Amino acid sequence: ETGVTQTPRHLVMGMTNKKSLKCEQHLGHNAMYWYKQSAKKPLELMFVYSLEERVENNSVPSRFSPECPNSSHLFLHLHTLQPEDSALYLCASSQDRLTLYEQYFGPGTRLTVT
Amino acid sequence: DQQVKQNSPSLSVQEGRISILNCDYTNSMFDYFLWYKKYPAEGPTFLISISSIKDKNEDGRFTVFLNKSAKHLSLHIVPSQPGDSAVYFCAARNYGGSQGNLIFGKGTKLSVKP
Repeated sequence: ETGVTQTPRHLVMGMTNKKSLKCEQHLGHNAMYWYKQSAKKPLELMFVYSLEERVENNSVPSRFSPECPNSSHLFLHLHTLQPEDSALYLCASSQDRLTLYEQYFGPGTRLTVT
Repeated sequence: DQQVKQNSPSLSVQEGRISILNCDYTNSMFDYFLWYKKYPAEGPTFLISISSIKDKNEDGRFTVFLNKSAKHLSLHIVPSQPGDSAVYFCAARNYGGSQGNLIFGKGTKLSVKP
């Protein structure tokens, strides 16, 4: 596999469930990102990891919990979500955060919270 | 308050003609701008970028123009092809302020008609 992959592609979960989204990048990048895309809204940056260390959390509710065990893998653990959390969750990676490198995105996980 | 604005949610163009997608920004500290293209059920794909020290960057059929005094950039696609039909996102980066994070617009849906 090449590029950035995400699993699952679609997820339906109840508000009391616990689930995890997985992202894997095969590009040798050092930075990884979680974004949320809600309908008719810009992509919102949720978390940034650089060299496996979380460097930014854009005031995301604690019901979203990221994990970056190594530079190739990124998880987003979900628990007790709300219906308004239904959105497309995109993972991205880049060579690093600070130089002029573009971010490469995965296909996203379409999450529906019922 | 949106720092990156794409005021046209959609644009329809005839095949072979020019497509012009516009983007306005409010933060004069942005130093790098990118355009992404997104097909349904896929993540955004990097298309072209421009540094704030330039006013034009060209890559094949795609040209990005930057007018810093007007805080405006545009993406020109010439000639437009049906395969260009997608949602186009403008993104900007403030190296100093947000540590390299990208700020995205809401996107413009381009339809190229045969």
